[in-house]
Amino acid sequence: NAGVTQTPKFRVLKTGQSMTLLCAQDMNHEYMYWYRQDPGMGLRLIHYSVGEGTTAKGEVPDGYNVSRLKKQNFLLGLESAAPSQTSVYFCASIQSPGHPYEQYFGPGTRLTVT
Amino acid sequence: GNSVTQMEGPVTLSEEAFLTINCTYTATGYPSLFWYVQYPGEGLQLLLKATKADDKGSNKGFEATYRKETTSFHLEKGSVQVSDSAVYFCATDFGNEKLTFGTGTRLTIIP
Repeated sequence: NAGVTQTPKFRVLKTGQSMTLLCAQDMNHEYMYWYRQDPGMGLRLIHYSVGEGTTAKGEVPDGYNVSRLKKQNFLLGLESAAPSQTSVYFCASIQSPGHPYEQYFGPGTRLTVT
Repeated sequence: GNSVTQMEGPVTLSEEAFLTINCTYTATGYPSLFWYVQYPGEGLQLLLKATKADDKGSNKGFEATYRKETTSFHLEKGSVQVSDSAVYFCATDFGNEKLTFGTGTRLTIIP
């Protein structure tokens, strides 16, 4: 049982390049989340999903897109990377609504945009 | 609106010292409250939680009590260890399965 995994762990992009971050969970969790973590800002929610085929905007969605084609995977895309998107990205999941709201986090992806 | 305000760091303590990290919230209802911990190079993990007023969450020697009258959920530990060095986040859910996090407090314990 691997829990929540993220790919890649590190990435450096040039401004304007695109990339996709992959989050996978093997716990059959319904809800999945993408956050970014910046110094002094805590974690901010980018997008989330309440089930396969659904997505919703969080607090800071601009510049990102997401897809949840399979229940176990949640993809975060950057179509045209900007230096302001330099951050550490975390994926998380919870079992289902009504369950104690313990979010399981992945180890993070450190992204640098130059 | 709903928000979480957390004691700013960094906090540096000697081993076996007493720890308090303050957390207060503003909410129109009665949220569940959480403390998450992030060890170096890792993702966040749940440390403890409380779901209603006067509940006390505890884990690994850490405690926090849900105080409705002061809208607070302060984290405490009586005797910290070097292995407690980490970043601590207070969080609330406001009943909608989305967590709102504080800005985090970096704790460093010196031997």
